[in-house]
Amino acid sequence: KQEVTQIPAALSVPEGENLVLNCSFTDSAIYNLQWFRQDPGKGLTSLLLIQSSQREQTSGRLNASLDKSSGRSTLYIAASQPGDSATYLCASPFGNEKLTFGTGTRLTIIP
Amino acid sequence: DAGVIQSPRHEVTEMGQEVTLRCKPISGHNSLFWYRQTMMRGLELLIYFNNNVPIDDSGMPEDRFSAKMPNASFSTLKIQPSEPRDSAVYFCASSLTGTGNTIYFGEGSWLTVV
Repeated sequence: KQEVTQIPAALSVPEGENLVLNCSFTDSAIYNLQWFRQDPGKGLTSLLLIQSSQREQTSGRLNASLDKSSGRSTLYIAASQPGDSATYLCASPFGNEKLTFGTGTRLTIIP
Repeated sequence: DAGVIQSPRHEVTEMGQEVTLRCKPISGHNSLFWYRQTMMRGLELLIYFNNNVPIDDSGMPEDRFSAKMPNASFSTLKIQPSEPRDSAVYFCASSLTGTGNTIYFGEGSWLTVV
């Protein structure tokens, strides 16, 4: 059974700092890994998708990496802003289209 | 594009009543997913369709839950009869078929069963 773990469950950092969110998965046979953002009372917004053949993807201040051999992905946020406060979830389709989600990390950026 | 559209956004209903949640996927997307999110269990996939055909409904919790997709632009998730433990946020999502494609979520339907 595939498991996706995100630690810590919550993280608070001062504005302006760089930070890293972690995602671990047990089955390395993934097709891709996606990072999502969820704001309170809202749906999930896709941030980055890394294909299994890629090692990283970048979008603005966000950089996601993928290391299949170690079963890890990280989301790096540079120069954090209060608007980055949200819950961040990683997910992967293990062998099919069914996404398995991590439990998320709730990020708070302190002004 | 308007994105994935769900209705109602919020519903409060009494135990035993029938609940119908609706979803309009992004035009052109041929995969549609229904997820349920709770504090205890996080996001769970209930069912997904490909080209309007249910592919995997192993996540549907019990017979009280049913889902249909009569055409490419509309899907429903029905709970009959509803129970308090069904209270959750129900998300619909769509994508182009294939594991390399981004999945897009609706804003969710917040269901409370009292």
